[in-house]
Amino acid sequence: KQEVTQIPAALSVPEGENLVLNCSFTDSAIYNLQWFRQDPGKGLTSLLLIQSSQREQTSGRLNASLDKSSGRSTLYIAASQPGDSATYLCARRGETSGSRLTFGEGTQLTVNP
Amino acid sequence: SAVISQKPSRDICQRGTSLTIQCQVDSQVTMMFWYRQQPGQSLTLIATANQGSEATYESGFVIDKFPISRPNLTFSTLTVSNMSPEDSSIYLCSVVEGPYSPLHFGNGTRLTVT
Repeated sequence: KQEVTQIPAALSVPEGENLVLNCSFTDSAIYNLQWFRQDPGKGLTSLLLIQSSQREQTSGRLNASLDKSSGRSTLYIAASQPGDSATYLCARRGETSGSRLTFGEGTQLTVNP
Repeated sequence: SAVISQKPSRDICQRGTSLTIQCQVDSQVTMMFWYRQQPGQSLTLIATANQGSEATYESGFVIDKFPISRPNLTFSTLTVSNMSPEDSSIYLCSVVEGPYSPLHFGNGTRLTVT
């Protein structure tokens, strides 16, 4: 059973384009949702954390939103750059799951110069 | 945020041997976790490393295969025992500094079992 789903699985865009990555989850009893970036062969870098009481968080060119009722989160990347090329993962922390996160499969983003 | 150092960064091991991975954090953290990322897949939680007591394992993971230590609030080890090629993965240490804090990861250990 896929609890966290990310669409699309892969995305290729030209430099400068604004883009949206999608994350959906089946259980709306969410504590928080976190977005990560993973470069090939590396660990994960935390990008944004949205608590269940928040609707969005912003950091630089990144904006993440959370809609608990629809079970969705989006990561908006403005003015994409080749350095943004990486795999982006969302992870849900449930209200009753302690500190355990459930990860999506990720979206592999390629920004072409 | 906490700085997490994980060693080794990569290793190639023979079938049947064991490898111990170390995770050192530069500050005391509430919780430490070990994740596995198999090739082309997302992350799966192996266990929560509990300070001074036995780790809490997720379904499908057992202590005999993945013994974990956490002697204090800044250090933990994960051992992958009696390895087989199916254990080839990236193993990642992660920490949470507080109840409302984000999860942070080390750079991972890329393990290849031949």
